[in-house]
Amino acid sequence: GDSVTQMEGPVTLSEEAFLTINCTYTATGYPSLFWYVQYPGEGLQLLLKATKADDKGSNKGFEATYRKETTSFHLEKGSVQVSDSAVYFCALITGGGNKLTFGTGTQLKVEL
Amino acid sequence: DTAVSQTPKYLVTQMGNDKSIKCEQNLGHDTMYWYKQDSKKFLKIMFSYNNKELIINETVPNRFSPKSPDKAHLNLHINSLELGDSAVYFCASSQDPVRNQPQHFGDGTRLSIL
Repeated sequence: GDSVTQMEGPVTLSEEAFLTINCTYTATGYPSLFWYVQYPGEGLQLLLKATKADDKGSNKGFEATYRKETTSFHLEKGSVQVSDSAVYFCALITGGGNKLTFGTGTQLKVEL
Repeated sequence: DTAVSQTPKYLVTQMGNDKSIKCEQNLGHDTMYWYKQDSKKFLKIMFSYNNKELIINETVPNRFSPKSPDKAHLNLHINSLELGDSAVYFCASSQDPVRNQPQHFGDGTRLSIL
């Protein structure tokens, strides 16, 4: 079955540091890939997506590139802010499917 | 305007009770979902409905019964609540899952069983 593996958290960074959260996947067919963010006490919000190999999703300074050869979709941001503190979920949907498969989530804490 | 709204936001109740959580979306989406998020933040799909028809049921105990009166609403009724049901339940919707469109989530219902 489909699965998503994320690096374990929590990840603690100083403000303005570079962020990478690793995500790899296994899936049948050609999945679409997503990053969702969950701020404390809130629901999930779509952060970015990529629907085919070599696509780059980007939003709010975050980027992730769909790498089919390494089955990866790592999330990066050049300079994090305290307001980026949240839990980040990597997820996928395979073609024609309804089921969004999530990774276990990575908590990010950004300190001054 | 809230796109996917759930009520109540918090639900505290005794073991053995029956409770319902309501979800409504105003996005015009055809497909709705229920997810359960446990204390370790792990998210797992429970149900999916497309145009009021059940299309995914992920081996959820039959104490959980979803009901979709129309495609804008998907409610979740839980009978005989157990301690292990304590979690955050998220409703979501999407326009066209065949095209792998992203899902839009509500803010969650935090269910605590005493």
